[in-house]
Amino acid sequence: QVQLKESGPGLVKPSETLSLTCVVSNDFLTSEHYWGWIRQTPGKGLEWIGIINLSGRTYYNPSLQSRVSISLDTPNNQLSLSLASVRATDTAVYYCATVEWMEVWGSSPRVSDWGQGTLVTVSS
Amino acid sequence: QSVLTQPPSVSGAPGQSVTISCTGSTSNIGAGYDVHWYQQLPGTAPKLLIHDNINRPAGVPDRFFGSKSGTSASLAITGLQAEDEADYYCQSYDSSLTGWVFGGGTKVTVV
Repeated sequence: QVQLKESGPGLVKPSETLSLTCVVSNDFLTSEHYWGWIRQTPGKGLEWIGIINLSGRTYYNPSLQSRVSISLDTPNNQLSLSLASVRATDTAVYYCATVEWMEVWGSSPRVSDWGQGTLVTVSS
Repeated sequence: QSVLTQPPSVSGAPGQSVTISCTGSTSNIGAGYDVHWYQQLPGTAPKLLIHDNINRPAGVPDRFFGSKSGTSASLAITGLQAEDEADYYCQSYDSSLTGWVFGGGTKVTVV
């Protein structure tokens, strides 16, 4: 089973850019999956941020699309998240994830593996 | 407010059964998009419990059952055990929002 571990600063100032990295174990970056980020807040619950596949195809949450970027560094088995112009409402636990999605009618993407999560607080 | 509606909490005695509903609309569950369920134990990341409406990943006990009808889906837990105390979330895809949607979560308490 794939192992995912997030890392990054636990505190980010408002208006700055949040940057997180996820290391994927055992060369599990394969073409069968998407890889992505999901966050969880007490107020809004679970919220998907975006996903990317090995071809670089990305899908972003429309509500975050103007501020978010996700990239893959396959030689180093790393997934990255960048969220610009953060505000207090971006305070959340951020999870790295493997996502399975057939991209056919009726198919919903699903998270098959989750990282342990990392808490990011936006505060001055 | 979440796009998918779940009851905030359900409870049951050990050995009993509980059911968690997940109500959507004609742009998500009612449009035919699959529903997935996740279990989140206290202090841990969510874990996939049911995928594609009814399927259990390897290792998930057969006490957990998923179903879907119309614009709703349900998760049933039979033979409730203390270890089932957790938050449960449903998730699907919404064609109007062009993205994933989650339920607000249901806390299951074993009394």
